[in-house]
Amino acid sequence: DAGVIQSPRHEVTEMGQEVTLRCKPISGHNSLFWYRQTMMRGLELLIYFNNNVPIDDSGMPEDRFSAKMPNASFSTLKIQPSEPRDSAVYFCASSVGQGRTDTQYFGPGTRLTVL
Amino acid sequence: QKEVEQDPGPLSVPEGAIVSLNCTYSNSAFQYFMWYRQYSRKGPELLMYTYSSGNKEDGRFTAQVDKSSKYISLFIRDSQPSDSATYLCAMRGTGANNLFFGTGTRLTVIP
Repeated sequence: DAGVIQSPRHEVTEMGQEVTLRCKPISGHNSLFWYRQTMMRGLELLIYFNNNVPIDDSGMPEDRFSAKMPNASFSTLKIQPSEPRDSAVYFCASSVGQGRTDTQYFGPGTRLTVL
Repeated sequence: QKEVEQDPGPLSVPEGAIVSLNCTYSNSAFQYFMWYRQYSRKGPELLMYTYSSGNKEDGRFTAQVDKSSKYISLFIRDSQPSDSATYLCAMRGTGANNLFFGTGTRLTVIP
């Protein structure tokens, strides 16, 4: 199993530019999560999907952030326009679902730097 | 007040020491408790998973949950340099999919 795949691994962009982060969950998993990790705030849940449907997006900072999951094997997190305070590591995680088997498996993360 | 509080450390111990990592939480609805380990520049990986109160042991690792005190612990016996990582506690309620994470404790085991 390839695990959760994220791309790009590193992204450096300038303030005001659009940034798109991509995630491929583990095949067969029906829940997908986007997290942001910073030294100050730790790991924060931004949004999660169940069966491709957004369930809770209360963690999305503001309208500049949007996420989509057009099918079970692909999701994007978009920031438009990006700001320096968006600099962080963004993780995607997937799980089978609720219950004792709902371990979340994390991808390697995308390290975003906004100049 | 954050839902989950965790001392960020850093914590440095000599090889072979017993390590104790802790988290407190405020939401009494939390029923599932996890510890994740995160190596530098990697994603978190699940280390231990417990349901409700009690202890769970896996090799050198023991997870404890005290729901009456809203306090969870992870003990590492005979710590090794390879245990050097950031340890994050996480928890959720029944029927909920989203996890609440602590900020993580950075541990260094010195050979």
